[in-house]
Amino acid sequence: AQKVTQAQTEISVVEKEDVTLDCVYETRDTTYYLFWYKQPPSGELVFLIRRNSFDEQNEISGRYSWNFQKSTSSFNFTITASQVVDSAVYFCALRNNDMRFGAGTRLTVKP
Amino acid sequence: TAGITQAPTSQILAAGRSMTLRCTQDMRHNAMYWYRQDLGLGLRLIHYSNTAGTTGKGEVPDGYSVSRANTDDFPLTLASAVPSQTSVYFCASSSTSGGAYNEQFFGPGTRLTVL
Repeated sequence: AQKVTQAQTEISVVEKEDVTLDCVYETRDTTYYLFWYKQPPSGELVFLIRRNSFDEQNEISGRYSWNFQKSTSSFNFTITASQVVDSAVYFCALRNNDMRFGAGTRLTVKP
Repeated sequence: TAGITQAPTSQILAAGRSMTLRCTQDMRHNAMYWYRQDLGLGLRLIHYSNTAGTTGKGEVPDGYSVSRANTDDFPLTLASAVPSQTSVYFCASSSTSGGAYNEQFFGPGTRLTVL
């Protein structure tokens, strides 16, 4: 069975701190995709990144970076120098035949 | 470009009544999806459609039905609503080009309360 675990329910940091959101997944398939989505207080879901199971290269996009490690079945997300606008719920998701989301991590960045 | 529209924005429904949540996309995506979002559970897939004319069951399909008569529309029907179906419902679509699982684009959601 597929499963995504985001163990951190809520995280609170002060602006400019770095923060890492953890994501651990379970699947028996060798081909799959991993995603991160952001849900700001306005409620919409915003796509952040997609990674396939054959590409373990880490990715950096501005203040965002992702660390994909198949050996530990993890796909962690780091925000460097956090800002108030980063406050949102962040979801990790796993896709092969269907799509499974984690329960989400609510990040609050305080000024 | 509108992307994905959902209607209604919110609805209060009496238990036992039926309701159809509407979803329309203008991106000509082949695949469409319905999710429900509940606190502490994230998003759970209800039904999906990989292309017009086909549908499939997701993680929590019971009590819901869908149809996909054309590429743009993917309505979700609750035949006889129950209070446990109180949730926020999101419709999504994705391109299937290249055979890959591409990112899904989400609608604004419908907040449904069943009393």
